[in-house]
Amino acid sequence: AQRVTQPEKLLSVFKGAPVELKCNYSYSGSPELFWYVQYSRQRLQLLLRHISRESIKGFTADLNKGETSFHLKKPFAQEEDSAMYYCAIATDKLIFGTGTRLQVFP
Amino acid sequence: DTAVSQTPKYLVTQMGNDKSIKCEQNLGHDTMYWYKQDSKKFLKIMFSYNNKELIINETVPNRFSPKSPDKAHLNLHINSLELGDSAVYFCASSQGGARQPQHFGDGTRLSIL
Repeated sequence: AQRVTQPEKLLSVFKGAPVELKCNYSYSGSPELFWYVQYSRQRLQLLLRHISRESIKGFTADLNKGETSFHLKKPFAQEEDSAMYYCAIATDKLIFGTGTRLQVFP
Repeated sequence: DTAVSQTPKYLVTQMGNDKSIKCEQNLGHDTMYWYKQDSKKFLKIMFSYNNKELIINETVPNRFSPKSPDKAHLNLHINSLELGDSAVYFCASSQGGARQPQHFGDGTRLSIL
């Protein structure tokens, strides 16, 4: 069965600290993986997708097929990064992980 | 210009009532979706339509009936509302199916009294 696991419900860091939001998936085919972000009082929006291999707002994510992981990383967290982050795998539908709330303290 | 718009934003109603949520997208996308976000913020697909045709029905109770009059609109009608239907419902759209980036609406917060 297709599944996305985000083991941390809440991740709290201080401004300037490195951040890694973990995501593991189970899928036997060729996955399309995404990170979506929901800032306070805003709509859910795409942060990045694995095939574009780009950095958005300083975030990167590398697909590791051996470990079936797609962790989201940022070397220096900013207060404006505080939000809910969802990892998702796309097959014939988009399956979301349970989300990780990132809190960045000043 | 709002890309994906849902109405209403808030819906408060009593158990047993019937209600509808409307969604419109002006992005020219061919696929639209309804998601349910529960109190623990878990997001789950409910329905997916491609060019007005239902392609995903994720074991949703048949009290929920989506309708797509054209590819820019996907409405959700809910009959005989139950307490467990309280949630935030998100509409989304994409071009080329679920493997493409999706654009989401602001959500409709449904509260059942």
